[in-house]
Amino acid sequence: KQEVTQIPAALSVPEGENLVLNCSFTDSAIYNLQWFRQDPGKGLTSLLLIQSSQREQTSGRLNASLDKSSGRSTLYIAASQPGDSATYLCAVPQGAQKLVFGQGTRLTINP
Amino acid sequence: SAVISQKPSRDICQRGTSLTIQCQVDSQVTMMFWYRQQPGQSLTLIATANQGSEATYESGFVIDKFPISRPNLTFSTLTVSNMSPEDSSIYLCSVAGHLAKNIQYFGAGTRLSVL
Repeated sequence: KQEVTQIPAALSVPEGENLVLNCSFTDSAIYNLQWFRQDPGKGLTSLLLIQSSQREQTSGRLNASLDKSSGRSTLYIAASQPGDSATYLCAVPQGAQKLVFGQGTRLTINP
Repeated sequence: SAVISQKPSRDICQRGTSLTIQCQVDSQVTMMFWYRQQPGQSLTLIATANQGSEATYESGFVIDKFPISRPNLTFSTLTVSNMSPEDSSIYLCSVAGHLAKNIQYFGAGTRLSVL
């Protein structure tokens, strides 16, 4: 059974800092890994999807890496802004597209 | 990306009643899913909505409590039946297979409070 863990559970940093969010998974036989953002009381916004054959994906100030062999992924956010404050979730598919989610990292960027 | 419309966005319901949540996608998709997010928790899959056949439920979820319909490739409904306060959660619809890609997209969610 796939289990996904995210560290830290919460993170508060001043605006402008670069930061890293961590995600680990127990079963390395994954097709891909997806990072999402969730604002309070809202749905999920897909940020990045990394295929199992890829090492990283970039979108603007976001960079996600994947190391399948060690069961880890990181989400790097450059030059953080208050608008980046949200909960960040990573998820991996188990079986046919069913996603298994981590508990999320609640990020606060202080102006 | 796929555009997903989920209704209602929120509701407050009385114990013992039922609520039907709708999920509409702007294009045909292979897979549709329903997730639950309890307060302060991450997402848990309720079921996979199968077009033309009965939904596939995850362990701990049953059809009598969460009946699901999927009449075509762009629409699905989830009913939360005989509600209790423990059903207070955000319910989210997601889709995959849009343009043959395996990215999952989520609706904005339905925030349900049961009194």
